[in-house]
Amino acid sequence: NAGVMQNPRHLVRRRGQEARLRCSPVKGHSHVYWYRQLPEEGLKFMVYLQKENIIDESGMPKERFSAEFPKEGPSILRIQQVVRGDSAAYFCASSSQGGRGEQFFGPGTRLTVL
Amino acid sequence: AQRVTQPEKLLSVFKGAPVELKCNYSYSGSPELFWYVQYSRQRLQLLLRHISRESIKGFTADLNKGETSFHLKKPFAQEEDSAMYYCALSGQGNTDKLIFGTGTRLQVFP
Repeated sequence: NAGVMQNPRHLVRRRGQEARLRCSPVKGHSHVYWYRQLPEEGLKFMVYLQKENIIDESGMPKERFSAEFPKEGPSILRIQQVVRGDSAAYFCASSSQGGRGEQFFGPGTRLTVL
Repeated sequence: AQRVTQPEKLLSVFKGAPVELKCNYSYSGSPELFWYVQYSRQRLQLLLRHISRESIKGFTADLNKGETSFHLKKPFAQEEDSAMYYCALSGQGNTDKLIFGTGTRLQVFP
């Protein structure tokens, strides 16, 4: 069991470009969460997805950010027209059940916007 | 507002000394509280959760609803305990989202 996989581990983009962050959950897990960690801050919840459904996106910025978790393949966090303020570490977590099941975290993707 | 506060950014102790990492929370309801740990070059992992009432690696944490605290304690720190520790809460409802504190870095010197 390789655990939650995230790629790329490091991503550099110029302002205005698009960033795509991928998350493969633990095998058999159907619940995925995305968190963002800005420098000197704790992890902040962005979005919670189950297969093909967005359950809670209350932490997602209203513009430029989107997430999906298709029936097949990894979950994708997409940031369009990146700005310097998007530079952060983005963590994905997965769990096998809702209702406060343990979340297993990936190693994170560090996004740097030049 | 839902919030988790970890007042110390850094806590430095010598090996064998007692450790207490502070965590206070603000939540109207019955949250579940967690401690997550991140060792150097490793991913974030669950250390313990208040409902399990376990002692993991010698660490314990008791939920004090009156003081809205969930401090992490260990009587005798070890060098391998050096890591980043995050307190988190999960509220009622079915979304499971975790609300994290800003973390405390624990340094244990030999």
